[in-house]
Amino acid sequence: KQEVTQIPAALSVPEGENLVLNCSFTDSAIYNLQWFRQDPGKGLTSLLLIQSSQREQTSGRLNASLDKSSGRSTLYIAASQPGDSATYLCAVRPIGFKTIFGAGTRLFVKA
Amino acid sequence: DADVTQTPRNRITKTGKRIMLECSQTKGHDRMYWYRQDPGLGLRLIYYSFDVKDINKGEISDGYSVSRQAQAKFSLSLESAIPNQTALYFCATSAKETQYFGPGTRLLVL
Repeated sequence: KQEVTQIPAALSVPEGENLVLNCSFTDSAIYNLQWFRQDPGKGLTSLLLIQSSQREQTSGRLNASLDKSSGRSTLYIAASQPGDSATYLCAVRPIGFKTIFGAGTRLFVKA
Repeated sequence: DADVTQTPRNRITKTGKRIMLECSQTKGHDRMYWYRQDPGLGLRLIYYSFDVKDINKGEISDGYSVSRQAQAKFSLSLESAIPNQTALYFCATSAKETQYFGPGTRLLVL
């Protein structure tokens, strides 16, 4: 059974710092991996989607990497800003259909 | 206007009551999903639908039922609510890979 773990559960950093959020999964047979941002009262917003054949995806200050063989993905946020404060969720789609979500990392960026 | 809307946004109900959560989307997607989120846990899939005539159980469907009234509408019902169904419920839609989420319904069962 696929399991998705995110460490740390919470993170507080000063503004301007570069940071890395981690996601690990137990079964490397995945179709894709997606990173979401969750803001209170606004649901989830897709940030980046990495197909199983890809190694990384970039969008602005965000870079997500995927290493299927080790069952790991990282989300790199450059030059963090207070507006980046949110919960970041990693989601893995196994070969099949049902997406499996991690519990998330709650990020707080201090001004 | 939001692409995926959920009503109500907040609901308090009592044990044993039947309640319905509604989801509407304007994205024209065929696929729709219902998830619940509990503190410290990831989102868990309750039901999903690939089109109006297709309904499938997710990993935690017991105690829930759904109705796909139209391509744009997907409702979740709790037949007889119990306290451990207290959670944040999300509806989502997708065309292919990326899922688009509604703002969530916060449900409290007393």
